[in-house]
Amino acid sequence: DVKVTQSSRYLVKRTGEKVFLECVQDMDHENMFWYRQDPGLGLRLIYFSYDVKMKEKGDIPEGYSVSREKKERFSLILESASTNQTSMYLCASSPIAGALPYEQYFGPGTRLTVT
Amino acid sequence: AQSVAQPEDQVNVAEGNPLTVKCTYSVSGNPYLFWYVQYPNRGLQFLLKYITGDNLVKGSYGFEAEFNKSQTSFHLKKPSALVSDSALYFCAVRDMGSNTGKLIFGQGTTLQVKP
Repeated sequence: DVKVTQSSRYLVKRTGEKVFLECVQDMDHENMFWYRQDPGLGLRLIYFSYDVKMKEKGDIPEGYSVSREKKERFSLILESASTNQTSMYLCASSPIAGALPYEQYFGPGTRLTVT
Repeated sequence: AQSVAQPEDQVNVAEGNPLTVKCTYSVSGNPYLFWYVQYPNRGLQFLLKYITGDNLVKGSYGFEAEFNKSQTSFHLKKPSALVSDSALYFCAVRDMGSNTGKLIFGQGTTLQVKP
């Protein structure tokens, strides 16, 4: 079974802090994704990575950055946390797609509260 | 622009009755469509996907989905609902403008099954 783990289930940080969210997958997947989930808005893609050190912006990258130094690990960084970044953050991975419709496998999520 | 819509924020159904959770999509070409379920405080779990072929797709936990090209719909169905099916359901479509396997998600539908 594919396993995607996230470093924290719940996190509370102060405004202005630098925040790191870590995600690790154990299936040698090329693609990794970071989403935020807000009620009524569904999942919105922040960043994704299709290879080590490769990344692309998603739909809402402002205020975030990412790092992928190893294939199995994809980090989301909030450079200076703000209250409007309070949300559920979900990490996902999938094999490289090309023309094939692979599903994504999700971690359990990190509920971040910025006060 | 590609998009997915789930027109109902919440669906209520009595245990034992059939359930339908609606999804419509807008993409160019032939779509790849997915359904995911999210139980409280958990990540998303893959239920089923449509690639091509038979318009009725069977998935996990007794769920199935019907692809209708003329109505651009992919509704999730189950013949007999269980209380344990109560959860948040997301429809998604593969971003056909990308080879990276990005998915576009709907806003989610909460399914409430009453005993």
